[in-house]
Amino acid sequence: KNQVEQSPQSLIILEGKNCTLQCNYTVSPFSNLRWYKQDTGRGPVSLTIMTFSENTKSNGRYTATLDADTKQSSLHITASQLSDSASYICVVSSSYSSASKIIFGSGTRLSIRP
Amino acid sequence: DSGVTQTPKHLITATGQRVTLRCSPRSGDLSVYWYQQSLDQGLQFLIQYYNGEERAKGNILERFSAQQFPDLHSELNLSSLELGDSALYFCASSVAGPDTQYFGPGTRLTVL
Repeated sequence: KNQVEQSPQSLIILEGKNCTLQCNYTVSPFSNLRWYKQDTGRGPVSLTIMTFSENTKSNGRYTATLDADTKQSSLHITASQLSDSASYICVVSSSYSSASKIIFGSGTRLSIRP
Repeated sequence: DSGVTQTPKHLITATGQRVTLRCSPRSGDLSVYWYQQSLDQGLQFLIQYYNGEERAKGNILERFSAQQFPDLHSELNLSSLELGDSALYFCASSVAGPDTQYFGPGTRLTVL
């Protein structure tokens, strides 16, 4: 069964600290993995996208890693800021052409405390 | 601003009614996706259209339908509304496949 599981479900850290969010998937065949940031009540915004051959990608203070062998990804946030408070969603795609199988994780809700 | 627009922003209606949500994709994007997000729930993929044709179907109820018009805008029709249909409905667009989707601001539907 195609699944994307994220952990932890929620996380509270102090401003300035680092954190790492996890994503495990069983989607097959694998096309790409994306991390999105979703502020409350807003649409998700893409942070990173990685294909099978990529094992790390950075976007400012956000660094995503991908281990296609173990089917695991992580999102590392460095020097957290209050504006990082949001839900972070891992999305795995299995794509043949323009047809697509899109599996969303349930997200990790991150809260940054001053 | 993602370049994807959705109207209306908010919609309040009663059970049993029918509503239409509208989405305009980014310029040049041929694919449109619809998602439902209930309170404190993850995004649920409903349906994808590519250049006017249905391409993929997710957890879309039979009471819901969608279409993509020749100008590539899309509409999601929700009928016989129930209380449980209250949710945020997002539209996303991409050039073709799901490689990079750009999400609209969403329509918040409240069914009373």
